[in-house]
Amino acid sequence: GAVVSQHPSRVICKSGTSVKIECRSLDFQATTMFWYRQFPKQSLMLMATSNEGSKATYEQGVEKDKFLINHASLTLSTLTVTSAHPEDSSFYICSAKGAGGSYGYTFGSGTRLTVV
Amino acid sequence: GESVGLHLPTLSVQEGDNSIINCAYSNSASDYFIWYKQESGKGPQFIIDIRSNMDKRQGQRVTVLLNKTVKHLSLQIAATQPGDSAVYFCAENMNTGFQKLVFGTGTRLLVSP
Repeated sequence: GAVVSQHPSRVICKSGTSVKIECRSLDFQATTMFWYRQFPKQSLMLMATSNEGSKATYEQGVEKDKFLINHASLTLSTLTVTSAHPEDSSFYICSAKGAGGSYGYTFGSGTRLTVV
Repeated sequence: GESVGLHLPTLSVQEGDNSIINCAYSNSASDYFIWYKQESGKGPQFIIDIRSNMDKRQGQRVTVLLNKTVKHLSLQIAATQPGDSAVYFCAENMNTGFQKLVFGTGTRLLVSP
């Protein structure tokens, strides 16, 4: 079945630095990838949708200059949290969707970001 | 960003009981719905899905019911087991010029032996 690999699984960074999270579709081409953020005991909140080769579409209230998304190929999307602050500490999860009109959403295993 | 709900309600059941988890979705034009199971520190795991032209779908020990009139989904788990303990989310596929998946509030299921 479809597999999405997300790295790193955990990262600790200092306040003010930037962190990059990778999301790869291993056995299918992902025309669309999604990035979610999840705070403890809360639901997954959609941050942005990215289509290969075009700019990401951000949800209302999500700062595009802080959360940089790149979807340069059909198998790789990256989320960079710039100038991270402790309030950015969260669980970030990516999802990839294949082409051909399939509804299939495949999720990565998530990245636990801790900003100290 | 889009999200529904701030705190997770909890459903506590005994092993062997049937569990029913409910979800209200937001968009009457959503055409596809998925139930996910999430264990601590992991990504969502697909359980069962249903298209909007159906009102019931059954899997192994799980059944999803869809009531489009009141925009309500339910997940029924038969003979609940301790391994079913997790957080369960419904998600709806929205078409807003492009497709995206938006998650509901979530329910924590606790199964006691």
